[in-house]
Amino acid sequence: DQQVKQNSPSLSVQEGRISILNCDYTNSMFDYFLWYKKYPAEGPTFLISISSIKDKNEDGRFTVFLNKSAKHLSLHIVPSQPGDSAVYFCAASTSGTYKYIFGTGTRLKVLA
Amino acid sequence: GAGVSQTPSNKVTEKGKYVELRCDPISGHTALYWYRQSLGQGPEFLIYFQGTGAADDSGLPNDRFFAVRPEGSVSTLKIQRTERGDSAVYLCASSLRGGEETQYFGPGTRLLVL
Repeated sequence: DQQVKQNSPSLSVQEGRISILNCDYTNSMFDYFLWYKKYPAEGPTFLISISSIKDKNEDGRFTVFLNKSAKHLSLHIVPSQPGDSAVYFCAASTSGTYKYIFGTGTRLKVLA
Repeated sequence: GAGVSQTPSNKVTEKGKYVELRCDPISGHTALYWYRQSLGQGPEFLIYFQGTGAADDSGLPNDRFFAVRPEGSVSTLKIQRTERGDSAVYLCASSLRGGEETQYFGPGTRLLVL
């Protein structure tokens, strides 16, 4: 039972355009969400997070949107750069459980 | 180095053998986590340490898997009687205190069981 789903295994975007990566979850107890970026042969690197009390969090080129009623979050990257090419994982957790539940990842390719 | 380190980076073993995977967390981080990532999947939680004790080991798949953190810093994940299905990347992460905090991941150990 996949509690965190990333339904798009891959995405290609032109440099300078917006990248939108999507994530859906089923567990309404999740109250903290994160995005990680992963390059080959490296561990996941933290990108941005959002608490369920917010619906948007922005950090430079990266913005995460949370729609609790739809159990959906998205990561926007504007403008996209070739160095953003990586696998992006969505993760969720519940207060007090300490463990992250990850999606299966979306491979983003930014074309120069 | 300032980040989480894991050794070895790669491990090839034969079915039935015993393996140990090591994790050095970020200095001062009291919380340590092990995850396993199989091909085409996201990381899956195995175990969480707060200090020296395993606060949550609900993700360990069976009793062949065991982890220790005797001095509250370095941790070792131990797998007995390895099976081909254990082949995966084993990731370690640490955070300052645990709870709703960012977990910082190491590069992982790629385990291949032949």
